[in-house]
Amino acid sequence: AQSVTQPDIHITVSEGASLELRCNYSYGATPYLFWYVQSPGQGLQLLLKYFSGDTLVQGIKGFEAEFKRSQSSFNLRKPSVHWSDAAEYFCAVGAFGSGTYKYIFGTGTRLKVLA
Amino acid sequence: DAMVIQNPRYQVTQFGKPVTLSCSQTLNHNVMYWYQQKSSQAPKLLFHYYDKDFNNEADTPDNFQSRRPNTSFCFLDIRSPGLGDAAMYLCATSRDWGEQFFGPGTRLTVL
Repeated sequence: AQSVTQPDIHITVSEGASLELRCNYSYGATPYLFWYVQSPGQGLQLLLKYFSGDTLVQGIKGFEAEFKRSQSSFNLRKPSVHWSDAAEYFCAVGAFGSGTYKYIFGTGTRLKVLA
Repeated sequence: DAMVIQNPRYQVTQFGKPVTLSCSQTLNHNVMYWYQQKSSQAPKLLFHYYDKDFNNEADTPDNFQSRRPNTSFCFLDIRSPGLGDAAMYLCATSRDWGEQFFGPGTRLTVL
């Protein structure tokens, strides 16, 4: 069965420190991959996406993610975190299976930023 | 700006009293989705429309229904809300199976 795993429920970093949020997926072929950010009480905003091509993708707000097929991973990174990055981050996978398209979210990682 | 709009942002209803949530979009996307998100959880897909074709997730309760009268609008009807239906309801759109664009959500409270 298709699945998305975000191993870290909570992450705390200091402002200015680097950040890496992990995402692993389980699917037979290469799915479409997405990272979203959600601030409290708000909808989800797309940070970046991977469909094919260059495995290092750049997104908004200084985020990037790298697709590693061998590890079935799509980790999100930012070299220097700002206090405004504190939010919930969701990895999502879109894939075809059983004759239909499925869009599956990971359970999310809540980021706390220390001043 | 093109966007996904949800109304109302906050909805309070009574146990068992039908409620309708609204979603509209100016993106002219052909796919529209409804998600339920409970506190500190991932969004859970309830159903989606691909053009006029309705696709219900297998575990979506019968209590939840949806209507899409035209490309721009989609409604979520909860026929008899229970306390367990209190959640944030998110509408999203996409062009075919591309990235999804989300509205700000409707927070539903059931008294």
